[in-house]
Amino acid sequence: NAGVTQTPKFQVLKTGQSMTLQCAQDMNHEYMSWYRQDPGMGLRLIHYSVGAGITDQGEVPNGYNVSRSTTEDFPLRLLSAAPSQTSVYFCASISRIGEFEMNTEAFFGQGTRLTVV
Amino acid sequence: AQKITQTQPGMFVQEKEAVTLDCTYDTSDPSYGLFWYKQPSSGEMIFLIYQGSYDQQNATEGRYSLNFQKARKSANLVISASQLGDSAMYFCAMRGRNTGGFKTIFGAGTRLFVKA
Repeated sequence: NAGVTQTPKFQVLKTGQSMTLQCAQDMNHEYMSWYRQDPGMGLRLIHYSVGAGITDQGEVPNGYNVSRSTTEDFPLRLLSAAPSQTSVYFCASISRIGEFEMNTEAFFGQGTRLTVV
Repeated sequence: AQKITQTQPGMFVQEKEAVTLDCTYDTSDPSYGLFWYKQPSSGEMIFLIYQGSYDQQNATEGRYSLNFQKARKSANLVISASQLGDSAMYFCAMRGRNTGGFKTIFGAGTRLFVKA
């Protein structure tokens, strides 16, 4: 019962470094998203994907890239880390049935706590 | 544009009492879904309850109920008989059918403290 798996759980980066946050789901969900969580701001959408090969920007996409080569994986890349990207990052997936029925919840990974120094 | 507003940054409740967490929303979508998630100190996001915009009755799930007032655009979460384990961050969230039914937007959250 893996669900959505994020790695790593914790990461410290130096300003200017790049890295990739991994996200994988085994539920065959079409829709996947990346969020960042900051105190007092809830979760904000960074990028999302509606299927393999299709991605789009959310509210706060600057400084991040994504790709979706398979249904299962949706990595998030930080191109040149900045202290403003210190946050907790969540990956989430939703079954396509949720698009119109909207009664299926999003499944979340455990989160990645990223600190940029 | 869609927006979720949670005006209570923090709430205290005595164990075994009921508590209401406020949530108001704004959307032009005629069809939408409202969700509540719990985030304990361990950090994971736990789905609690769902309310559809066309549902006639308020949703209930065990000790959780959703007080849905469509005309007021509010979707408050009611937790009955609070337990110490209910101490957590609670997020109200929404998806709209016409604005991407899979894109969930979240409020800023309410931190609930349950006192023994």
